[in-house]
Amino acid sequence: EIQMTQSPSSLSASVGDRVTITCRASQSVGTSLHWYLQKPGTAPKLLIYAVSNLQGEISSRFSATGSGTDFTLTISNLQPEDSAYYYCQQAYGTSTFGQGTKVEIK
Amino acid sequence: QLQLQESGPGLLKPSEALSLTCTVSGGSITSDSYYWGWVRQPPGKGLEWIATIYYTGATYITVPLRGRVTMSIDTSKNQFSLRLNYVTAADTATYYCASHPSGDVRRGAFDFWGQGTMVTVSS
Repeated sequence: EIQMTQSPSSLSASVGDRVTITCRASQSVGTSLHWYLQKPGTAPKLLIYAVSNLQGEISSRFSATGSGTDFTLTISNLQPEDSAYYYCQQAYGTSTFGQGTKVEIK
Repeated sequence: QLQLQESGPGLLKPSEALSLTCTVSGGSITSDSYYWGWVRQPPGKGLEWIATIYYTGATYITVPLRGRVTMSIDTSKNQFSLRLNYVTAADTATYYCASHPSGDVRRGAFDFWGQGTMVTVSS
């Protein structure tokens, strides 16, 4: 089973900052890497699919890149509504999620 | 636009079987355009993919739960279901049903989710 390791586990940043979350797979997952946002008490929401593709009406402040085993999610111009948990997910083999990153606004 | 809604027992005793159902609206459970899955989240913890089923009946299950999990589809009710046998306290979680498109690019990317249903295992 492919293991996904996210870092950091939490971060605190100010409005307007740029933050980056990384996700590392225990083996190559090709382009089957997706990112989600989850706010407390709600279902996860797909942010980015297949490494770098923005889902639906997701803000262009979100971007992502990577290949093989190393991936990053970047939030530019951080806004208060970005306060949430962020998860990466690989779907190359049977699916697994990273352990999550809590993003807080200072 | 798909809408998914979970239903289930809420409270179970250890060793019982958990049965959850997800009712789909806005699309057909027999469509070749979607896969149907379950994801759970223990209180205060992260997401865990459980299993996914395709309209053909092909099922994919996370390794740690193989042997305890089955999935099925009820085409007459436009529903899919999860059964988890021999539950323990470790199975206490919010269970989400979700769907993702078929096709290579969006493979596994769950874009529609139910609101989740909390399941507690306690004696």
